[in-house]
Amino acid sequence: QKEVEQNSGPLSVPEGAIASLNCTYSDRGSQSFFWYRQYSGKSPELIMSIYSNGDKEDGRFTAQLNKASQYVSLLIRDSQPSDSATYLCAVNSITTNAGKSTFGDGTTLTVKP
Amino acid sequence: SAVISQKPSRDICQRGTSLTIQCQVDSQVTMMFWYRQQPGQSLTLIATANQGSEATYESGFVIDKFPISRPNLTFSTLTVSNMSPEDSSIYLCSVNRDMANTEAFFGQGTRLTVV
Repeated sequence: QKEVEQNSGPLSVPEGAIASLNCTYSDRGSQSFFWYRQYSGKSPELIMSIYSNGDKEDGRFTAQLNKASQYVSLLIRDSQPSDSATYLCAVNSITTNAGKSTFGDGTTLTVKP
Repeated sequence: SAVISQKPSRDICQRGTSLTIQCQVDSQVTMMFWYRQQPGQSLTLIATANQGSEATYESGFVIDKFPISRPNLTFSTLTVSNMSPEDSSIYLCSVNRDMANTEAFFGQGTRLTVV
């Protein structure tokens, strides 16, 4: 079992729709959870971080964390073609990984005009 | 956020040679990491660059192949030694500000092609 698993892509949604990206992790000691966006040929950039159970909203983005289910998700509302990218879920555990990030394989999102 | 300058941005190298990649951060950071990202793949951690001591390597990566320096809290280098075509990849420097929140910031990446 991979330490961080993301729903297999690619994911295609029409412009204006909600894109839902999912991620599960295996280490129950994980404390920090991140979503990165990576455009083709570019390096990853942080778009959301979440540390406690529940929802965290930032503009069109909402991250959801459920530690009991070891599940974290990212919702993108009113999806735009500019949201087309690969989204990487990352998980950190200070106690077991000394702050290192473990990344999922990524989900490629295409938003069609 | 942190501003990270990584160079070179790309290079084409002959097999058997070595390439050193530099990573400069605009402020002191506790943790610096080196990742590899092969085409269409996610990020694989090579090692953690420790200031003042040897780097900590992940399984499958060894110091002889990927020597790392970290002379201070703002700078690190990764050398890819005795290169083969299998080393063709994107290499990324990443930093965390501190141990508390561990948000990662990335350099622009180095696209390496070995011929």
